Amino acid sequence: ETGVTQTPRHLVMGMTNKKSLKCEQHLGHNAMYWYKQSAKKPLELMFVYNFKEQTENNSVPSRFSPECPNSSHLFLHLHTLQPEDSALYLCASSQDQSVTQYFGPGTRLLVL
Amino acid sequence: KQEVTQIPAALSVPEGENLVLNCSFTDSAIYNLQWFRQDPGKGLTSLLLIQSSQREQTSGRLNASLDKSSGRSTLYIAASQPGDSATYLCAVRRRRDDKIIFGKGTRLHILP
Repeated sequence: ETGVTQTPRHLVMGMTNKKSLKCEQHLGHNAMYWYKQSAKKPLELMFVYNFKEQTENNSVPSRFSPECPNSSHLFLHLHTLQPEDSALYLCASSQDQSVTQYFGPGTRLLVL
Repeated sequence: KQEVTQIPAALSVPEGENLVLNCSFTDSAIYNLQWFRQDPGKGLTSLLLIQSSQREQTSGRLNASLDKSSGRSTLYIAASQPGDSATYLCAVRRRRDDKIIFGKGTRLHILP
């Protein structure tokens, strides 16, 4: 058990749907991250939050909208996605941005 | 532009052998380098984190080295076991913009 949980574990959605991914960490960390892992590509960092404030947005399309209501919870709101957005979405947390990150199990997303 | 390269892309070795995974990066101005393990369909597990001021880190049968001047890191696995089969990812955090850049990983298969 890593202390970082993600729900749902699997999600299938149409291009017109709106859905949200949830991440929760029970480690008392201050930084949280969203990553995207597409098949045969390196892991891509999407967003970084530090003390609930977004500190990094790696040119992610606006159809992905993150939300961090507190240091323990991180959401990724999805709307009007494209089939190429199908991937494994991983959440991670760390005490601060310079130390080891702990990853959740990921949400495997399929956009039809 | 920071690039992280991992060689080989895939590796199969008999159980009990010692092995080395390689990671190279183009920009030596980094805060740290981290090695992760990913099992199929699961999130990442952090193995070792090496700060830029350190030369190596050890954890059990794992030893990671860092040579910033040459832009290289190695992950040494001693006495390999079938349970070591997984994809191993290397990631650096660069100083310029605090971004984390991942390699594509090495898929390791330990033959029983």
